[in-house]
Amino acid sequence: KAGVTQTPRYLIKTRGQQVTLSCSPISGHRSVSWYQQTPGQGLQFLFEYFSETQRNKGNFPGRFSGRQFSNSRSEMNVSTLELGDSALYLCASSLAGARETQYFGPGTRLLVL
Amino acid sequence: AQTVTQSQPEMSVQEAETVTLSCTYDTSESDYYLFWYKQPPSRQMILVIRQEAYKQQNATENRFSVNFQKAAKSFSLKISDSQLGDAAMYFCAHSGALYGNKLVFGAGTILRVKS
Repeated sequence: KAGVTQTPRYLIKTRGQQVTLSCSPISGHRSVSWYQQTPGQGLQFLFEYFSETQRNKGNFPGRFSGRQFSNSRSEMNVSTLELGDSALYLCASSLAGARETQYFGPGTRLLVL
Repeated sequence: AQTVTQSQPEMSVQEAETVTLSCTYDTSESDYYLFWYKQPPSRQMILVIRQEAYKQQNATENRFSVNFQKAAKSFSLKISDSQLGDAAMYFCAHSGALYGNKLVFGAGTILRVKS
C-alpha cells in the first residue's frame, strides 16, 4: 500500500497570506490528524477528521482550519499567516478509532517570511 | 491532562551496543496506548513500537523492546545491537481512548550512534 502523501513538500509564504496543505491517507484509512512541529513547541496536535467531521481539536487559534473529503483526503488551511506559523506540518492517518496506530506522511515544511 | 516527559535531550551509543531511552507519562485514563516514533533527518516520522496499557507483556520489535512500568507510568525503549541507521530523534507518545486519535508527544531524544 502507498503511504501517507502530503503536498506540497515545501512552501514559502509571506505574512498575511493564507496557505492550504493537502494530505492523502493510506488507502482504507478514514481518520486524518494534523500536527505542527516547531523547535520551540515540539509536536503539537492541531485537529483530527473522521468521516468528514472534525472529531478532535487542539489548542490553536481559529486561523487554523481543516476539512476532510468523502475520499478521506484532508486539507488544512492557515489564514493570515504569522512568522510563528513557520513549521513542519505533519499529517497522520489511521484506520478509524482511538485505538489505531497513526502513520505519518513526510510533512510539509512551511516558511513564513 | 496528558503529559509525556523525555528527560534525556541527547544520548550516544557505540555501534553494536545497547542503549535505553527514557519516557514517563501522566494520564488519568485507564485505556491508553504508548508509542515510540523515530524521526531521522528526512523528518519522516516512523513508528518503532506500540504498547497497549492493558497488556502486561512488554512489546518487542526485532532489536527494539520496551520496559513498560504501568504503576510508575514509565515507558522506556531499549535498542539492542545499535546500528548507524538508528541515529535519529526518538519521540515517546501517548494516546488515550477518550481523546480519540490525539497523540501527545514528549520533547524527543536525539540518539547519536558512533562507529
